[in-house]
Amino acid sequence: SYVLTQPPSVSVAPGKTARITCGGNNIGSKSVHWYQQKPGQAPVLVIYYDSDRPSGIPERFSGSNSGNTATLTISRVEAGDEADYYCQVWDSSSDPNWVFGGGTKLTVL
Amino acid sequence: QVQLVQSGSELKKPGASVKVSCKASGYTFTSYAMNWVRQAPGQGLEWMGWINTNTGNPTYAQGFTGRFVFSLDTSVSTAYLQISSLKAEDTAVYYCARPHRYCSGGSCSYYFDYWGQGTLVTVSS
Repeated sequence: SYVLTQPPSVSVAPGKTARITCGGNNIGSKSVHWYQQKPGQAPVLVIYYDSDRPSGIPERFSGSNSGNTATLTISRVEAGDEADYYCQVWDSSSDPNWVFGGGTKLTVL
Repeated sequence: QVQLVQSGSELKKPGASVKVSCKASGYTFTSYAMNWVRQAPGQGLEWMGWINTNTGNPTYAQGFTGRFVFSLDTSVSTAYLQISSLKAEDTAVYYCARPHRYCSGGSCSYYFDYWGQGTLVTVSS
């Protein structure tokens, strides 16, 4: 099965830039999607297809994907961005088809 | 607007069964599959499988065969997750999620564009 690796935690000061990585074998050949999950809430899609934003998601959220690492970047971090973030890929050749990273807790200092 | 509304929290004893519902609205139910995702306390997201809302054919991920059953009632646009012979380790929040297919440059991928609010199932004696 395909494995996605995320750092357990990332800390950033308000107004700074947070980068959350998602590692996988040749992940650059796949489409990566990112979800934000706040305590007690369902996940919310923040980036799809590596770098596209759903409507309603601030431009401060961006994504990139190349080689063995995909990255979610949050610029001008706000206190409200504190949450768990999960990367996800869909791989028809993998079992399971839907693969999530282990999640990264973003702490705003 | 699209909504997935799940049934409320459940407290069950080991060995019992539970059935979680997920009622869809705001779109044609049979136009999208329905997936189920588990999140154990303090843990990450784990894909359980999906059900074809046209045929009713379920597909289960590894680790979710045998005691887990996906079903539908298309007349009320509702998907169900039933878990039998409950164990303490089944304690988790269970989400239904609608997949969206995105194709670009000759390749396609899927992501979840809508999620239910989650149903907490607690298994305890």
